[in-house]
Amino acid sequence: DIQMTQSPSSLSASVGDTVTINCRTSQDINTYLNWYQQKLGQPPDLLITGASSLQSGVPSRFSGSGSGTDFSLTISGLRPEDFATYYCQQSYSYPYTFGPGTKLEIK
Amino acid sequence: DVHLVESGGGLVQPGRSLRLSCAASGFKFENYAMHWVRQAPGKGLEWVSGISWGSGNIAYADSVKGRFTIFRDNAKNFLYLQMNSLRTDDTAFYYCAKPKTAAPGCLDRWGQGTLVTVSS
Repeated sequence: DIQMTQSPSSLSASVGDTVTINCRTSQDINTYLNWYQQKLGQPPDLLITGASSLQSGVPSRFSGSGSGTDFSLTISGLRPEDFATYYCQQSYSYPYTFGPGTKLEIK
Repeated sequence: DVHLVESGGGLVQPGRSLRLSCAASGFKFENYAMHWVRQAPGKGLEWVSGISWGSGNIAYADSVKGRFTIFRDNAKNFLYLQMNSLRTDDTAFYYCAKPKTAAPGCLDRWGQGTLVTVSS
């Protein structure tokens, strides 16, 4: 199975800041990497697929990059609604593992 | 509009069984693979199982292999998860999720989840 790690596990930032969340996989997954946002009490929302393709309706302040085993999600100019938990997920092969999550909190 | 509604959760004793259902509407269900993902209270997401559109390709997480069975009824637009030999660490919200078109692992629509609590 492909193992996923994310860093940091939590992050404090202020409105307007730019933050980056990292995701690493235990083997080469090309760009089969997706990012999700989850707010408290809600199911996850798909933000980015294929490492860098923004889902329709997702603001352009979100961006993704990477390939192989190292990936990142950047949020430029944080807004209050962005404070949530973010998960990466590989869709290269079953089982479709998720990262442990990064909780983004308001400083 | 895509709608996924899970049901069947509840309190169950360790070792017992439970069947979850997911009613799908607003899209051509028979054309899509479907998945179950769970989340223990206060914890992260865990992919549980996936099934192809025609049930020919099925996969499970190691943590549930041999105990859980995923299946679907394309005529009724339902996805199911039969859970046997339940353990306390199976306690979680269970979500059914639909992937994007032509991207079987990218889960773009989720239900609200159903809570399964395994406890004596």
